Amino acid sequence: GAGVSQSPRYKVAKRGQDVALRCDPISGHVSLFWYQQALGQGPEFLTYFQNEAQLDKSGLPSDRFFAERPEGSVSTLKIQRTQQEDSAVYLCASSLTGTSGTRALEQYFGPGTRLTVT
Amino acid sequence: AQSVTQLDSQVPVFEEAPVELRCNYSSSVSVYLFWYVQYPNQGLQLLLKYLSGSTLVKGINGFEAEFNKSQTSFHLRKPSVHISDTAEYFCAVSNTNAGKSTFGDGTTLTVKP
Repeated sequence: GAGVSQSPRYKVAKRGQDVALRCDPISGHVSLFWYQQALGQGPEFLTYFQNEAQLDKSGLPSDRFFAERPEGSVSTLKIQRTQQEDSAVYLCASSLTGTSGTRALEQYFGPGTRLTVT
Repeated sequence: AQSVTQLDSQVPVFEEAPVELRCNYSSSVSVYLFWYVQYPNQGLQLLLKYLSGSTLVKGINGFEAEFNKSQTSFHLRKPSVHISDTAEYFCAVSNTNAGKSTFGDGTTLTVKP
């Protein structure tokens, strides 16, 4: 079946521009995560949704970052007034359920969107 | 708070040799532990996970890892590597049912012919 997809795969933005990154999770997956991966580092948590509810946004680095998942499926990560330090790969992951259980913890990752801010 | 330390940033090894990628974690509560592999320009793929039970966990592609609570470690091993195992490997920890994970900085495994 189809995995997690993200678009665009690559995005170049001039400093100050707004960008929107899209994530299509696996159909039926309840939980959706966004991570930021800087060059040479591991992914860092940004935010988490369970269905349409944003349950944790503690990792968003500033109020320029905003995420939504209005219908509990597709999610969009928006970055306003991009800065050079926003350059990174943005990874989306989904998992089957937000409740306890072994399968709940198995996250499936998309290929990421590489954002370059010039 | 929780953290993950991957002790080796790069591990070069010859084909068919054994390999160990080291991971230590810190957490004030019980944790779940994961290893992921990332090939160039791709997302992360789960190799194996420890949730409870047996401390020796077997995963895909012949990898295994052992959870050691007293040493707070979760080292990844493979008895004989292949060229195709060349990739970036990430250790991760989670202490919530929601699955939010904290990742290490990764270890680049390079398998030479």
